Amino acid sequence: GNSVTQMEGPVTLSEEAFLTINCTYTATGYPSLFWYVQYPGEGLQLLLKATKADDKGSNKGFEATYRKETTSFHLEKGSVQVSDSAVYFCALSVPPRRLAFGKGNQVVVIP
Amino acid sequence: NAGVTQTPKFRVLKTGQSMTLLCAQDMNHEYMYWYRQDPGMGLRLIHYSVGEGTTAKGEVPDGYNVSRLKKQNFLLGLESAAPSQTSVYFCASNPRGQTYEQYFGPGTRLTVT
Repeated sequence: GNSVTQMEGPVTLSEEAFLTINCTYTATGYPSLFWYVQYPGEGLQLLLKATKADDKGSNKGFEATYRKETTSFHLEKGSVQVSDSAVYFCALSVPPRRLAFGKGNQVVVIP
Repeated sequence: NAGVTQTPKFRVLKTGQSMTLLCAQDMNHEYMYWYRQDPGMGLRLIHYSVGEGTTAKGEVPDGYNVSRLKKQNFLLGLESAAPSQTSVYFCASNPRGQTYEQYFGPGTRLTVT
């Protein structure tokens, strides 16, 4: 079935460091891919998305490229800020009209 | 627009009690969802609805019931709460059309003692 795998464990890094969070997927067909972010005490909000192979989603300095050959959608940011501390979820579309989420990665940015 | 709202924000129940969580959206979205979020488990779909008057089971439906009598509201019921239902519950909605993007509410933190 359609599923998403995110790298294990929290990510702790210093301000202005480079962030990468790995996401790989298993799917039939051609799903859309998403990154959602959850700030402390809040619901999830869409960070970026890509709907077909080789598309790059970007928002707030974050980027992810839909790689069909490696079934991946890794999230990157060149220089993180303390305000980027949050939980990040990778997700893919599952017909009809559902999303399958990864387990999420806690990101902690230290000043 | 308020977006997706959830009531209540927090609740403590004793084992065996019942309660209903209310989700409301003012975006005229066709599809609505209930998830639970537990540490290390990500989000798991409980039930969802593809339109007014219709509901369907998700990954973890046992112990929950839902109703969608009005398009803007999606109710999640726990008939006899158990400690295993201690969780944070999120509602989400999705508009008609090609996008799968879901819009989330702020969550309800439920503790069952």
